Amino acid sequence: KNQVEQSPQSLIILEGKNCTLQCNYTVSPFSNLRWYKQDTGRGPVSLTIMTFSENTKSNGRYTATLDADTKQSSLHITASQLSDSASYICVVSGMGGGADGLTFGKGTHLIIQP
Amino acid sequence: DTGVSQDPRHKITKRGQNVTFRCDPISEHNRLYWYRQTLGQGPEFLTYFQNEAQLEKSRLLSDRFSAERPKGSFSTLEIQRTEQGDSAMYLCASSSTGTQIRLGYTFGSGTRLTVV
Repeated sequence: KNQVEQSPQSLIILEGKNCTLQCNYTVSPFSNLRWYKQDTGRGPVSLTIMTFSENTKSNGRYTATLDADTKQSSLHITASQLSDSASYICVVSGMGGGADGLTFGKGTHLIIQP
Repeated sequence: DTGVSQDPRHKITKRGQNVTFRCDPISEHNRLYWYRQTLGQGPEFLTYFQNEAQLEKSRLLSDRFSAERPKGSFSTLEIQRTEQGDSAMYLCASSSTGTQIRLGYTFGSGTRLTVV
């Protein structure tokens, strides 16, 4: 069964600090991996999309890495800001996950404290 | 075009009533998806359309749920005889077949349904 596991479930850090969120997946065959940011009460917004051949991609203070061999991805946030408080969802595209083979993780709930 | 629009943003209904949600996708996107999300969970796939054709339905989509996209543009999701377990955020997303892998989905802000 295709699965996407995210850790930690929740995280609290001080403003200005860095943090790293983890995503492990068992989706096969693999097509691409996406990270989304979801503010409370809003829809998810795409941060990065990585295909099999890409092992890192940046979007401002967000940097995603992908190791397709170990089936792991991470999202690193640099110099966190209060506006980074949100849920971060890892989504993997493969086969059998429903529409385009997408399997969603449950997300990491990140809280940035001043 | 300002993205994917969903209406209403919030809906409170009594158990047993019918509700209908609307989604207006990005105009040049030919694919439209419906997801359901409960608190602390990731979105769960319900159904998707390519143009006006409904190509896939999840087993989560019971016979009380029906979705349409009659002209290949906006879509509606209707829930009949609502139950308390239907309380959730209903998300709509759209994409273009040609750019789906490179650009991914664009999600709407969702409709928050509360069944009392």
